[in-house]
Formats: sequence, C-alpha cells, structure tokens
Amino acid sequence: NAGVTQTPKFRVLKTGQSMTLLCAQDMNHEYMYWYRQDPGMGLRLIHYSVGEGTTAKGEVPDGYNVSRLKKQNFLLGLESAAPSQTSVYFCASSYLGGGQETQYFGPGTRLLVL
Amino acid sequence: AQSVTQPDIHITVSEGASLELRCNYSYGATPYLFWYVQSPGQGLQLLLKYFSGDTLVQGIKGFEAEFKRSQSSFNLRKPSVHWSDAAEYFCAVGGDTDKLIFGTGTRLQVFP
Repeated sequence: NAGVTQTPKFRVLKTGQSMTLLCAQDMNHEYMYWYRQDPGMGLRLIHYSVGEGTTAKGEVPDGYNVSRLKKQNFLLGLESAAPSQTSVYFCASSYLGGGQETQYFGPGTRLLVL
Repeated sequence: AQSVTQPDIHITVSEGASLELRCNYSYGATPYLFWYVQSPGQGLQLLLKYFSGDTLVQGIKGFEAEFKRSQSSFNLRKPSVHWSDAAEYFCAVGGDTDKLIFGTGTRLQVFP
C-alpha cells in the first residue's frame, strides 16, 4: 500500500496562475482532507470530503476549490494564486469521521507563489 | 468551540533526559485526543490517541500521554529521549464532528 500520495512535491507559481494539487489514497477511506501548514499556525483545514461526490468548507477555504469525483482522489485547486497561499499543503484521509478516527497524512506539497 | 493550546513553541532536551510536552484543550463534550509527530520534510504520523477508558495511553516509539479531564490536559511524555525524537509534535482534539483541531505544535530539539 502506498497510503496517501500527493502530486507534485514542490511547485513555484507566479501570482495569478492556477494549479491543481492531487491527493490519492489506496486505503478505501471515506473521508479526505486538505490542510495548509504555516509557521506558528499549526495545521489549518481548508476543505474536506465525507465521501465521493461531496465537499465541505473548513477553516480557511477562501481562494481554494476542491473536487472528489472518485473516492480515492481529492483535488485541491487554486484558480488565481496569491503570495498568501505560499505554504505547505497536506492531504489526509480517514476511514470514518476525522474527529474520532486516525488521519493518515501524505508527505506534503510545498508551494511558493511569487 | 473546540481549541487546542500547546504553550511551548520550542523545547530543547539532552539525549537520555525525560520529556513532557504540554497540551490543553477546550471541548464541550467528551473529547477524542491525538498526538501526531512530524519529522522534518515529512507528513504527520500518529503517535497515540485517547478515546475512553484508561487515562494513560501508550503509543509508538515509547511515548505515553495522560488524559486529565479536571485540567483539560493531554500531556505527552517519554522517560528517555533519543536523538531521533527530534521533530515537531502536534496535539489535536476531535469528537462528534468530521474534523480535528490541531494545536500550533511544539518543536523538539535533542542535544547529544
């Protein structure tokens, strides 16, 4: 099992460009999450999904969109990147609700927006 | 509202010394409590979790944590730290929601 994988590992964008981060899990988990990690801020939830075809907003959803067309994949999109979106992005998944279950994390995507 | 406080941003210990990382939470119902560890350049890995029952829980890598409801705390401990324990540690609280709330983390540095 690969667990949770993220693509790409690192990306540099110019302000205004768009990109999509891909998260894939092979554990048949229902729940998937996108977090961003910034120094001194811990992990903050951007969006999450409780199952295929569903998405919900987290703590910091502005400027991001997500889609969960397949159970194993969760995509995070930036339509018009801003320097404030420079961060490390982590995807996670869990079998059931993340408030009670262990979340399994990917290795992260480091994004720099110039 | 749920919240987690990790009062120590950075802790430095000598190898072989004992360790305690503090975590205080705020949650209106019975909390589900977690400790995760993040090695440099890596994702987060679960160390241990508390749902109910015995308030002292054992985790991987020799870590343990004690749930104290009266103090709203879930401190992480290890009797003897190894150099490989240098990492960032995150406490998180969940419950009857779909989400976890993470603390801001404590960075552990280990001197030989």
